[in-house]
Amino acid sequence: DQQVKQNSPSLSVQEGRISILNCDYTNSMFDYFLWYKKYPAEGPTFLISISSIKDKNEDGRFTVFLNKSAKHLSLHIVPSQPGDSAVYFCAASDSGDYKLSFGAGTTVTVRA
Amino acid sequence: DVKVTQSSRYLVKRTGEKVFLECVQDMDHENMFWYRQDPGLGLRLIYFSYDVKMKEKGDIPEGYSVSREKKERFSLILESASTNQTSMYLCASSGGAPGELFFGEGSRLTVL
Repeated sequence: DQQVKQNSPSLSVQEGRISILNCDYTNSMFDYFLWYKKYPAEGPTFLISISSIKDKNEDGRFTVFLNKSAKHLSLHIVPSQPGDSAVYFCAASDSGDYKLSFGAGTTVTVRA
Repeated sequence: DVKVTQSSRYLVKRTGEKVFLECVQDMDHENMFWYRQDPGLGLRLIYFSYDVKMKEKGDIPEGYSVSREKKERFSLILESASTNQTSMYLCASSGGAPGELFFGEGSRLTVL
């Protein structure tokens, strides 16, 4: 059973607007969360992370929000750009562990 | 620039054949991982290794084995390929912050 869930397989957004990607997890031992971005024919690359001691982490246009009580996190991309069109994977780990559990991914398409 | 190299980008094999997928990293990382990526399922962990000669089963190890004879090299072996092993296989390594994996470009395997 998947411990990390991304319930929206796809998202289409206009250039310049906000993209919001959602992720839920079930394992209460998870305390470190990451987002990866994947272009076709390439491996995933690390985008941004957040520890459970925080509820927000920001890096340029990318912000991740964590709601521990709801076991929910979201990634905001503002403003969205055509180069942001990719598959985004949410991932989680127990910080004492190097291996990650991934969600199914959300395909983002940014329309010009 | 850090690099994880997977030996074959595309392979086509027949049912029952033995398949080797090779992965080499040049970052002197202790930890290496094999994932498979399937639509709607995201990335699922097959096997991982935290040290030379060491291996641990991930979430879906059935039908696979691995070998780590040298620190930089982690091989995935399908002893007898089956059609349900048709997938994208991704190798990754890590050595820094937990969870921050560096991925190869992937090996797309088709089993006929």
